[in-house]
Amino acid sequence: AQSVTQLDSQVPVFEEAPVELRCNYSSSVSVYLFWYVQYPNQGLQLLLKYLSGSTLVKSINGFEAEFNKSQTSFHLRKPSVHISDTAEYFCAVSRRNAGKSTFGDGTTLTVKP
Amino acid sequence: GAGVSQTPSNKVTEKGKYVELRCDPISGHTALYWYRQSLGQGPEFLIYFQGTGAADDSGLPNDRFFAVRPEGSVSTLKIQRTERGDSAVYLCASSLSGGGAAQETQYFGPGTRLLVL
Repeated sequence: AQSVTQLDSQVPVFEEAPVELRCNYSSSVSVYLFWYVQYPNQGLQLLLKYLSGSTLVKSINGFEAEFNKSQTSFHLRKPSVHISDTAEYFCAVSRRNAGKSTFGDGTTLTVKP
Repeated sequence: GAGVSQTPSNKVTEKGKYVELRCDPISGHTALYWYRQSLGQGPEFLIYFQGTGAADDSGLPNDRFFAVRPEGSVSTLKIQRTERGDSAVYLCASSLSGGGAAQETQYFGPGTRLLVL
């Protein structure tokens, strides 16, 4: 079985500051890794994912995450956040050849002016 | 195009009653997933369909929970003898093929908020 730990339940930051949302996972087999975002009053949507290849993956809105196999981490970063980035962020892992995803409990990112 | 839709958006029921929650996936998506999200937690896997059949139902908590997808599109999650602990947001997601489901993007619906009094 796999599990996901999001180390911070809430992260408040000021606009234009950098942010890192931490995610650690455990699994006995190779996995795929995902970050999902849930904006206020909206459904979950995929932000970015790591399947294979380059360990650094990027989203279209400036977020990036790096897969670190030795530390079993997949932290999400953005060098300069906007008010509109305020949302709940979920890290998830899927075993290869399995359909289901295991999610962390989420990190609430609040960007203040 | 239309996304994943779920009905009803909210459901209030009394302990012991039966409820049905419906999910309409994106057209053409053969994989369909049900998750349950309790307050302050991430989504918890319940069941995954590939076409009409349940490929993995290991997340169903007990035999009060059952899901069907008879024609390979719309799915219904059925909960018998509801308990207060069943109160949660029930999320449905779909993905394109499910053959390599683990790496596919799952598209989530807005959820059904179930409250058992």
